Amino acid sequence: AQSVTQLGSHVSVSEGALVLLRCNYSSSVPPYLFWYVQYPNQGLQLLLKYTSAATLVKGINGFEAEFKKSETSFHLTKPSAHMSDAAEYFCAVNAGGTSYGKLTFGQGTILTVHP
Amino acid sequence: DAGVTQSPTHLIKTRGQQVTLRCSPKSGHDTVSWYQQALGQGPQFIFQYYEEEERQRGNFPDRFSGHQFPNYSSELNVNALLLGDSALYLCASSPGQGTIGELFFGEGSRLTVL
Repeated sequence: AQSVTQLGSHVSVSEGALVLLRCNYSSSVPPYLFWYVQYPNQGLQLLLKYTSAATLVKGINGFEAEFKKSETSFHLTKPSAHMSDAAEYFCAVNAGGTSYGKLTFGQGTILTVHP
Repeated sequence: DAGVTQSPTHLIKTRGQQVTLRCSPKSGHDTVSWYQQALGQGPQFIFQYYEEEERQRGNFPDRFSGHQFPNYSSELNVNALLLGDSALYLCASSPGQGTIGELFFGEGSRLTVL
């Protein structure tokens, strides 16, 4: 079985500051990992994904994440926050194999960006 | 190119009633998954349809059922509604059952059960 824990339900940063959103996973098989973003009253949009290639994954809007197997982590970072980054972010895991399309999501982290 | 579209966007039902939610996948996609997102929670997988059959199912009771049509669109049906069924229901599509988790989501149908 797979599970995801996102540390911190709310993160607040100043515009221009580093964004760090934490995600730890549990998986009985080598996982596929994802970060999705949800803006108010919208569906989820894929930011980036890890599928066992490079451990440092670059996504859209300047976000990146690093897969660390030893720490079972997949933290999301962005060097400089913009006001437009304010949204809810979800980390998700997929076991692959016959489970394609079945994502297990974390509880989400709401990112607030202050001017 | 239209993305994933869902209808209705909002609806209110009372306990015991039945509801049908609809989803049209992104053009070129043949696989549809449904998720339930309760307030303040992450989405939870309900089931996935491919080639008009339910291929995978999450931990949801039989009150939740679905259907996929030959044009790949899909319906989610919930019978005997409970207050706890109040949530945002998200439809996601992907280009084939073998796509590794790259789902395209609609904006959801917000169901309120009174």
